[in-house]
Amino acid sequence: SQQGEEDPQALSIQEGENATMNCSYKTSINNLQWYRQNSGRGLVHLILIRSNEREKHSGRLRVTLDTSKKSSSLLITASRAADTASYFCATGVVIQGAQKLVFGQGTRLTINP
Amino acid sequence: NAGVTQTPKFQVLKTGQSMTLQCAQDMNHEYMSWYRQDPGMGLRLIHYSVGAGITDQGEVPNGYNVSRSTTEDFPLRLLSAAPSQTSVYFCASSYHIRGGNSPLHFGNGTRLTVT
Repeated sequence: SQQGEEDPQALSIQEGENATMNCSYKTSINNLQWYRQNSGRGLVHLILIRSNEREKHSGRLRVTLDTSKKSSSLLITASRAADTASYFCATGVVIQGAQKLVFGQGTRLTINP
Repeated sequence: NAGVTQTPKFQVLKTGQSMTLQCAQDMNHEYMSWYRQDPGMGLRLIHYSVGAGITDQGEVPNGYNVSRSTTEDFPLRLLSAAPSQTSVYFCASSYHIRGGNSPLHFGNGTRLTVT
């Protein structure tokens, strides 16, 4: 299975600190995506990084991808209480012309005020 | 712009009953999909479609049927509900780009309980 495995499963930090979440996977991918899920809501797309890219930024988010190690990390800088949510990585593979995304189990992030 | 709309938000079924979970999107996305989310299991793909008239199975398709008669709608049918189908169901859509690299847009989910 190419399923992403996330580490840690839960992370609790103080507001203002940086949060780092990691994702590992098993097979070759076309892209890797990160999503956020607030309690009781649908997932919201954060960043997509292609297999030929090594790093992408979006505001306070930084994503890295190391295809040789089959791993990715999501860094949230200067965390805020509103960042409290679950974060999921998803590996994207194109099979017969269609993209299939396989999600990891997620990291539950808690930002303490 | 409503995005992806799922109905109902909550549903309780008895074992053996049937029902249809509705999903509609107004972004003209070719690709639509259904996932289920269970504690400790992440999201698992049930069925997906790359356009009207085209559907295919995902990771956990048993017990579910889908059809895609229009670009906008992608209903998920449970023919004979079982307690193992108690879950939160998410519909998601995206542009269908050859080569992939499309972010998914999710609905807010349907919480289904089968007793």
